[in-house]
Amino acid sequence: EVQLVESGGGLVQPGGSLRLSCSASGFIFSSYVMHWVRQAPGKGPQYVSGFGRNGRSTYYAESVKGRFTISRDTSKKTLFLQMSSLRVEDTAVYYCVGERDAFEIWGQGTMVTVSS
Amino acid sequence: QAGLTQPPSVSKGLRQTATLTCTGNSNNVGNQGAAWLQQHQGHPPKLLSYRNNNRPSGISERLSASRSGNSASLTITGLQPEDEADYYCSAWDSSLSAWVFGGGTKLTVL
Repeated sequence: EVQLVESGGGLVQPGGSLRLSCSASGFIFSSYVMHWVRQAPGKGPQYVSGFGRNGRSTYYAESVKGRFTISRDTSKKTLFLQMSSLRVEDTAVYYCVGERDAFEIWGQGTMVTVSS
Repeated sequence: QAGLTQPPSVSKGLRQTATLTCTGNSNNVGNQGAAWLQQHQGHPPKLLSYRNNNRPSGISERLSASRSGNSASLTITGLQPEDEADYYCSAWDSSLSAWVFGGGTKLTVL
């Protein structure tokens, strides 16, 4: 079964840090560009970050550049998102997404709440 | 970050045809076309089509997508109750080196 399972979400104070993980199974992880897409309550999806198939290319939305770092461990079929200097506006469900041609594979998401 | 433009809502009757639109620019929709996603409440988005009219396996043939210049559209024929959902377009933006999304269209099937 094709599956992405996110973990690591939770409640954090503004200025704090959090590390999200995404474990992949059921497909050839190395063949997919992997992304993080977030969705604030009642809002549409917003692109966060991506990691290319070549193991080098990374992509970031302007709103998270310099604060978030994406990485992937192909041997463990795992994607990570290190988030620091978190802001209230970072509050959202964070989805791990696999792209072969577009956003084909989605996880169920992990909730990140930034609040004092 | 610049996004794509979608009408907030569309309402159509059962078994009618709905056409959803998405407007971007030459760096995104006009460059590589758009992907369309459907989202039901409480679930993650689901890919319906990509690069204008390629459908993943299992997606109904009642759905078809197209592009004209910097705009894309998704047409759903023979509307069913299960088509009632939020629909988002998305495209790779070559100037931002990032994907961008539309604000979404809520489709209501009357």
